[in-house]
Amino acid sequence: NAGVTQTPKFRILKIGQSMTLQCAQDMNHNYMYWYRQDPGMGLKLIYYSVGAGITDKGEVPNGYNVSRSTTEDFPLRLELAAPSQTSVYFCASSSGTGGAADTQYFGPGTRLTVL
Amino acid sequence: GESVGLHLPTLSVQEGDNSIINCAYSNSASDYFIWYKQESGKGPQFIIDIRSNMDKRQGQRVTVLLNKTVKHLSLQIAATQPGDSAVYFCAENIFRYKLSFGAGTTVTVRA
Repeated sequence: NAGVTQTPKFRILKIGQSMTLQCAQDMNHNYMYWYRQDPGMGLKLIYYSVGAGITDKGEVPNGYNVSRSTTEDFPLRLELAAPSQTSVYFCASSSGTGGAADTQYFGPGTRLTVL
Repeated sequence: GESVGLHLPTLSVQEGDNSIINCAYSNSASDYFIWYKQESGKGPQFIIDIRSNMDKRQGQRVTVLLNKTVKHLSLQIAATQPGDSAVYFCAENIFRYKLSFGAGTTVTVRA
């Protein structure tokens, strides 16, 4: 059981470039999430999904897009990279069956720098 | 702004001593709280959770205390070890399955 996996681990982008951060989970979890973590700060929710084909915005969705075509995968797309998107990105998943007490499990993160 | 925050950004602890990490929250409607541990270069790792209908929960070497009257959460680590050095985050369920995270407390264990 690999849990939540993310690729790539590191990436440097130039302003205006685009890229997709990959996230996959093998726990058959219904819910998946994308967070960003800026230096010295907690995690901010970008987007989340409660199942295949269903996504919704979190606290900081501007500049990002997501899709959820399968239960396992939840890619995050940056269309026009900006320096403000320099951050560490974490993907997480949860079963969705725990009601309010639904534990989220995190991947190892992708460190993105936009120059 | 953030509804969850930690009282101190850093905590230095002697190996073998007990650690207490504090967290204040502002949303009185929150019904679920989690403590995560994040080691350098890794994602947050679940430590322990507590529902709002409880005031204490114990795990292996860790205890979480919840005081709803003053909206305060704490994590106690018994016999702190070098492997406990990390950033600790508290998080609260703010709406459905959305979690709000505090800024974190960096714990350093002195040998």
